[in-house]
Amino acid sequence: DAGITQSPRHKVTETGTPVTLRCHQTENHRYMYWYRQDPGHGLRLIHYSYGVKDTDKGEVSDGYSVSRSKTEDFLLTLESATSSQTSVYFCAISEGGDYGYTFGSGTRLTVV
Amino acid sequence: SQKIEQNSEALNIQEGKTATLTCNYTNYSPAYLQWYRQDPGRGPVFLLLIRENEKEKRKERLKVTFDTTLKQSLFHITASQPADSATYLCALNQAGTALIFGKGTTLSVSS
Repeated sequence: DAGITQSPRHKVTETGTPVTLRCHQTENHRYMYWYRQDPGHGLRLIHYSYGVKDTDKGEVSDGYSVSRSKTEDFLLTLESATSSQTSVYFCAISEGGDYGYTFGSGTRLTVV
Repeated sequence: SQKIEQNSEALNIQEGKTATLTCNYTNYSPAYLQWYRQDPGRGPVFLLLIRENEKEKRKERLKVTFDTTLKQSLFHITASQPADSATYLCALNQAGTALIFGKGTTLSVSS
């Protein structure tokens, strides 16, 4: 998607290993978000950021941490991956207010 | 507890007909509601926003209504086409945090 990229697109990792997903934007938007999408649950908010070094927890934040040291990058880290974290992860950006979100193409993570 | 529900998981209609998707919510007082389209293997794409003081919003073949008394939004696609087949998500804002999404309704338009 224009202005936002996620990496990697696919990843298989073993239980107990740390994993970092990256979201990069070129739009200079203030707000960035991490969601996970699972069958039967839809999109659920993990963490979000409202500025450099300003982050807050979402609905399903346990087992995840985030960092935002630059406007353009928002990192999601699974400190010790578990099978329940197998999911598709989406990053989104927004100018704030009632503007729509722009989503990345997603990262499919499999924890074995 | 707070809930946002899209009543139908799947909706099948014939080409040319109007598709109507429903989004209901409880225990929220959103200032606005948004609708997104998601194709398989892709991220959601923003379609329309409607504010709490707006009853209806239109964009080409799309129409959204918002009834804050009923706590419901309806999303209409008129003259539907097979290319409209996708999953449609409603989302509402929760003050001080991010959008909360419904689970989506998968629309299939047959020719």
